[in-house]
Amino acid sequence: ETGVTQSPTHLIKTRGQQVTLRCSSQSGHNTVSWYQQALGQGPQFIFQYYREEENGRGNFPPRFSGLQFPNYSSELNVNALELDDSALYLCASSLEGREVGTGELFFGEGSRLTVL
Amino acid sequence: GENVEQHPSTLSVQEGDSAVIKCTYSDSASNYFPWYKQELGKRPQLIIDIRSNVGEKKDQRIAVTLNKTAKHFSLHITETQPEDSAVYFCADPDTGRRALTFGSGTRLQVQP
Repeated sequence: ETGVTQSPTHLIKTRGQQVTLRCSSQSGHNTVSWYQQALGQGPQFIFQYYREEENGRGNFPPRFSGLQFPNYSSELNVNALELDDSALYLCASSLEGREVGTGELFFGEGSRLTVL
Repeated sequence: GENVEQHPSTLSVQEGDSAVIKCTYSDSASNYFPWYKQELGKRPQLIIDIRSNVGEKKDQRIAVTLNKTAKHFSLHITETQPEDSAVYFCADPDTGRRALTFGSGTRLQVQP
């Protein structure tokens, strides 16, 4: 069984640039969620994808967007980067049943983004 | 799942002592309460969870208790060991947004 993998592990961008982060979900999982974790904080929900559609969204602006592919892998895109976007971006896969949000999240190791 | 408050933010104990971390939530409809552990530089991992139909759940040295009337749930770690040192996050589901809302975390340091 393959766990959740993310790439790249670290990257540095400058303000105004765009970034794409990638995530491969755990084998058998159909749902991918993205979280932003600022230093010393808990993960903050960005959005969730299920069957290639956005299935829920947190309080993040539209410049945060995503995709899910038929193999359940996912991308997070952030446009017009700001300094405050510097954080660890965590991808989590899960197998959602009827009770949404009550299944275990399997996190990747994250992509650490630094915006200068 | 709108608001989860977690206390304390840091906790230092001697090896072998017990540690307790508490979270309060605001949504009375919440029915699932997990705890995640994040070691330094690692991914968060689920260590224990509880559903609203029970008041307590144990797994070896860790336990979670739930008080639905008071809207709080707590993580209890007994006989702490240095490898328990990590940041612990409580969470509860925000079913409207299909997400987990995480607390701000408790940094537990177990002194050998």
